[in-house]
Amino acid sequence: DTAVSQTPKYLVTQMGNDKSIKCEQNLGHDTMYWYKQDSKKFLKIMFSYNNKELIINETVPNRFSPKSPDKAHLNLHINSLELGDSAVYFCASSQAYDTQYFGPGTRLTVL
Amino acid sequence: AQSVSQHNHHVILSEAASLELGCNYSYGGTVNLFWYVQYPGQHLQLLLKYFSGDPLVKGIKGFEAEFIKSKFSFNLRKPSVQWSDTAEYFCAVTLSGAGSYQLTFGKGTKLSVIP
Repeated sequence: DTAVSQTPKYLVTQMGNDKSIKCEQNLGHDTMYWYKQDSKKFLKIMFSYNNKELIINETVPNRFSPKSPDKAHLNLHINSLELGDSAVYFCASSQAYDTQYFGPGTRLTVL
Repeated sequence: AQSVSQHNHHVILSEAASLELGCNYSYGGTVNLFWYVQYPGQHLQLLLKYFSGDPLVKGIKGFEAEFIKSKFSFNLRKPSVQWSDTAEYFCAVTLSGAGSYQLTFGKGTKLSVIP
């Protein structure tokens, strides 16, 4: 059973399009996260939700909007995609501030 | 804000060599420390973590790390590496205590093990 899953695994799209990435966890955790890994492999937190409430909102363009319909899901919607948005996006989950478990990643390529 | 430094960008070793990857963090308070590994094309997996207690922690696949509070360090070690250890290794830190959800990563160390 996959603990943290993301769809799609690969996403190739044109500049200016809007796209969404979905994340689901079956660990029963109460906190979920989105991270961005750039081309140099640097990982940076973008957002975090605890019990569906936004608790971390780093300096991210407002074209990025997270949505948490329930504790097991955290989706990331990106409007007006730009070349610089190309990266691997990782979802993660944890029980409160315990260890974070990561999903397989979504490689986004903006052409 | 806390930060994490990993001094080695790329380490190349032959199989059976010993490994030590450096990690230093900057924060004067109590922290939780982690090492994650990312194998080529895969997601991050937890190798080991330190929250409290014995500063020498053992993780999966023969890895261990030692927390030295006075040096703000959490170096990762393995006595004998294998080709399958080729991966990117990330040190990370959170502040210890309630409400401390933010995991700050170092920039990673790429390990290449030559057969």
